[in-house]
Amino acid sequence: GAVVSQHPSWVICKSGTSVKIECRSLDFQATTMFWYRQFPKQSLMLMATSNEGSKATYEQGVEKDKFLINHASLTLSTLTVTSAHPEDSSFYICSASPTGTGGVGYTFGSGTRLTVV
Amino acid sequence: QQPVQSPQAVILREGEDAVINCSSSKALYSVHWYRQKHGEAPVFLMILLKGGEQKGHDKISASFNEKKQQSSLYLTASQLSYSGTYFCGTEKSGGSYIPTFGRGTSLIVHP
Repeated sequence: GAVVSQHPSWVICKSGTSVKIECRSLDFQATTMFWYRQFPKQSLMLMATSNEGSKATYEQGVEKDKFLINHASLTLSTLTVTSAHPEDSSFYICSASPTGTGGVGYTFGSGTRLTVV
Repeated sequence: QQPVQSPQAVILREGEDAVINCSSSKALYSVHWYRQKHGEAPVFLMILLKGGEQKGHDKISASFNEKKQQSSLYLTASQLSYSGTYFCGTEKSGGSYIPTFGRGTSLIVHP
């Protein structure tokens, strides 16, 4: 089955520093990947759609300069949280679909728990 | 637009059945279901594409009423391992295949 690998699983960083999170599709190519943020006991909030070879599409209210997304290859998307602050602490999850055209469900990475101190 | 899930929470004893509903105000291309354990990422359970479709695995099944833009997830003879938060995800008809998730239903199965 489709496997999505996400690293790191957790990270603790100091306020003001940047953190990079990687999302890799291991056994399929993903022209589109999605990045979500999830607060405790809440649903998945779509932050942005990452498109291979082009700019990411950000959801309303998500700061594109703060959450930098790069989708340089068909198997790798990265999310960089720049100048992180405590309010950025959250669970970040990526997902991808083998087809990119819907209808087959989505595979999630294992998630990254970010704690900014 | 986010699909609406109900109920918000279910507490069961092992062996009991549960139904979780998911409805949308928009015409749907697909409905998919996921289960998330605490501290982990959601895991894909199944997807339904056609109106009237029903499918299942082991004792978990789902149906898709395309006309009503609703789907239901059925958990039969619940096991302790079924505990978790269940999310439905939807893709709109004629849309760009961007999945939207409901707020989730917390299911707790007690021995």
